[in-house]
Amino acid sequence: NAGVTQTPKFRILKIGQSMTLQCAQDMNHNYMYWYRQDPGMGLKLIYYSVGAGITDKGEVPNGYNVSRSTTEDFPLRLELAAPSQTSVYFCASSGRDTSYLYEQYFGPGTRLTVT
Amino acid sequence: KNEVEQSPQNLTAQEGEFITINCSYSVGISALHWLQQHPGGGIVSLFMLSSGKKKHGRLIATINIQEKHSSLHITASHPRDSAVYICAVASPSLQGAQKLVFGQGTRLTINP
Repeated sequence: NAGVTQTPKFRILKIGQSMTLQCAQDMNHNYMYWYRQDPGMGLKLIYYSVGAGITDKGEVPNGYNVSRSTTEDFPLRLELAAPSQTSVYFCASSGRDTSYLYEQYFGPGTRLTVT
Repeated sequence: KNEVEQSPQNLTAQEGEFITINCSYSVGISALHWLQQHPGGGIVSLFMLSSGKKKHGRLIATINIQEKHSSLHITASHPRDSAVYICAVASPSLQGAQKLVFGQGTRLTINP
């Protein structure tokens, strides 16, 4: 299994541009999450999904959109990029296990700079 | 005040020392996670626990729900343990998902 994959690894955007960060998992996990990590700060939840067609906001959703049309993929869309969106973005997934507690598996991250 | 507080923020120790990292939280939770972030940036889940104690190799995690406190211990520390250790608390959300709130992390450096 590849686990959780993210593309691209690095990206530089100009202010006002848009882009989509891709995330895919091959573990048949129900739950998928998008986080951002700003320099020197803790991770923050942007959006999450509990399955195809069902998403919900996290702590910092403004400026982002998500969709989940398949179990495997959970893209994050940035519209009208702003310097405040300069960050490292992590995608994670988790599934059900017998203990009902769901460990999260993280992708390698996408480093985004908006200038 | 942050919902999740870790201490210390930075810790430097010699190889072989016993390491303790603490995490306190102020909200009700369904589970607590300990994560490791490598110098290259990758994040790995170490533990997920809702009560008691768990052990993986040289790592031990404990949680006291009444006191809203968890500790991560590393026995016989090694330079390869150098990383940022992150505590995160989970609250139950839509259809069983876990919304995590993260601490700031503890940067651990183990010198040979």
